[in-house]
Amino acid sequence: DAGVIQSPRHEVTEMGQEVTLRCKPISGHDYLFWYRQTMMRGLELLIYFNNNVPIDDSGMPEDRFSAKMPNASFSTLKIQPSEPRDSAVYFCASSLIAGGDTQYFGPGTRLTVL
Amino acid sequence: QQQVKQSPQSLIVQKGGISIINCAYENTAFDYFPWYQQFPGKGPALLIAIRPDVSEKKEGRFTISFNKSAKQFSLHIMDSQPGDSATYFCAASREGGSYIPTFGRGTSLIVHP
Repeated sequence: DAGVIQSPRHEVTEMGQEVTLRCKPISGHDYLFWYRQTMMRGLELLIYFNNNVPIDDSGMPEDRFSAKMPNASFSTLKIQPSEPRDSAVYFCASSLIAGGDTQYFGPGTRLTVL
Repeated sequence: QQQVKQSPQSLIVQKGGISIINCAYENTAFDYFPWYQQFPGKGPALLIAIRPDVSEKKEGRFTISFNKSAKQFSLHIMDSQPGDSATYFCAASREGGSYIPTFGRGTSLIVHP
């Protein structure tokens, strides 16, 4: 398996623009997680899905953030409108079960909002 | 709140030395304690994990020590190498149910040659 795939790897955009991050989880994994990593706050869980259904989005910082998982092999994280404070590395991860097992992380998307 | 507290935030060690990173958790329901290693520009990857039925697990130069009564666990890197320079995250979760992993804040380890 190719592992968790994320695109783009780098995104530079201007404040106010819409940003869409994409993720393909490992086939057969029922859980998908979106994280944001910054120096100040470490690794923050934004939202996670079970069998394509959002379970907990309490980590989504604002209504500007939204996430979807239309099928088992694809998820998006959208920021609209983007702000400079959204600059961070965004990771997608997948796992077979919710807890008690390995999470497999993608390579991340480094987002810079100017 | 299900927290995992990790220390130190950063660590500098000489080549050949021992690196020790500590984590403490609150929820006694947790039964799976992994450590993830993250190199610059990469995503975190599982390094080693332990379940509370044992007090220690060793894989090569990496050892997890687990103290259930104190609700603490630590990562020991023996004979630290420059290639071990990375960020290390501890985590805690529980198999089944909705106990998704809770991560520590991370420790940036630098091993000087």
